[in-house]
Amino acid sequence: SSDLTQDPAVSVALGQTVRITCQGDSLRSSYANWYQQKPGQAPLLVIYGKNTRPSGIPDRFSGSSSGNTASLTITGTQAEDEADYYCNSRDITGNHLVFGGGTKLTVL
Amino acid sequence: QVQLQESGPGLVKPSETLSLTCTVSGGSISHYYWSWIRQPPGKGLEWIGCVHYSGSTNYYPSLKSRVTISLDTSKNQFSLKLSSVTADDTAVYYCARDWELGHWGQGSLVTVSS
Repeated sequence: SSDLTQDPAVSVALGQTVRITCQGDSLRSSYANWYQQKPGQAPLLVIYGKNTRPSGIPDRFSGSSSGNTASLTITGTQAEDEADYYCNSRDITGNHLVFGGGTKLTVL
Repeated sequence: QVQLQESGPGLVKPSETLSLTCTVSGGSISHYYWSWIRQPPGKGLEWIGCVHYSGSTNYYPSLKSRVTISLDTSKNQFSLKLSSVTADDTAVYYCARDWELGHWGQGSLVTVSS
């Protein structure tokens, strides 16, 4: 089992907004990072820290957090956003990283 | 732009030691933390551990007894050793930079089989 909990699958209509959530005790003290992974590719960091996008990541990706839950929101979802999404954060000791089990996003 | 590349044997026998190297180009390894992550076929990501450029290490508790991560600043490389492997250690192994894992290698599939 994972230290962070994600819904296994989420679907969204093309052009709509989708929120992918991540829950865990570590999120009360550490921000979540979010990764997009397409088949056969390495994960790609899309959000880190409070809500920062690495260079080249579209601004339709945003992050937020409340209590023990972090969220990744995609506004105006595009077909190319169909992928697996993983969250992670430092654990409660701050010395390790823990991952969520991943959410498969389907764009309808 | 920093780039990472994993290298090492693609097949390891049960009970032996898995060894992988990550070569960093486009930047010095003498900054940041450097991590290893793995992904079993069809499953999610698992952080293995990291090494700081100072040489200090952090390992995921469930793997700590079998893992060694070290770095070679002269070659701009860091490495992973995982001992006493079983079929459950079959995975794509990735190296990545820092705690945010903002830069990843392409991954190296390691199969544990006799």
